Amino acid sequence: EAGVTQFPSHSVIEKGQTVTLRCDPISGHDNLYWYRRVMGKEIKFLLHFVKESKQDESGMPNNRFLAERTGGTYSTLKVQPAELEDSGVYFCASSGHRGLRLSEQYFGPGTRLTVT
Amino acid sequence: ILNVEQSPQSLHVQEGDSTNFTCSFPSSNFYALHWYRWETAKSPEALFVMTLNGDEKKKGRISATLNTKEGYSYLYIKGSQPEDSATYLCAYDMIYNQGGKLIFGQGTELSVKP
Repeated sequence: EAGVTQFPSHSVIEKGQTVTLRCDPISGHDNLYWYRRVMGKEIKFLLHFVKESKQDESGMPNNRFLAERTGGTYSTLKVQPAELEDSGVYFCASSGHRGLRLSEQYFGPGTRLTVT
Repeated sequence: ILNVEQSPQSLHVQEGDSTNFTCSFPSSNFYALHWYRWETAKSPEALFVMTLNGDEKKKGRISATLNTKEGYSYLYIKGSQPEDSATYLCAYDMIYNQGGKLIFGQGTELSVKP
């Protein structure tokens, strides 16, 4: 079974540019999460999809961040325009059916974003 | 503000040493406590999901205990090996949080010298 994949693995962009990160969850997983780890700090929740719907977006920093999940499959996270403080590692995780409340979250390897 | 604290922040041990580290979390509204092992540039790997007070889980040389009343969990590694070098993360899951959002500690970075 393929795990959670993320693309790209690294991205270096200039302040003011736009970047789109992609996450492909484990096939059949309804729940998809985005998290971010800024250097030296803890991994922080950004948002949660159940299928194509946003269940919880309380962790999104501001309106420069836009997440979508087309057809309940893969998800994209767009940062526009990027600022220096957006640098960090962006993780995606997925878990099984909503009814399985205690499902483990399976993480991707992350996208390392550097804004210069 | 919900805080999950891990200590120590980093740990350097010799191969063969046994070690342990702590995760402290809010004791109220507890649902589950997750432990992950993370090597940079790789996916964080789930080690344990713990729910019951007094629970103890084991996976090879790694084990974990849980005290939900006082809000802490210990992770133990017996006979550390260089391949155990990684950052160990704990994450707290709240009972009222139907979505499963995890609140992470900063991690304990373990380095095992041969």
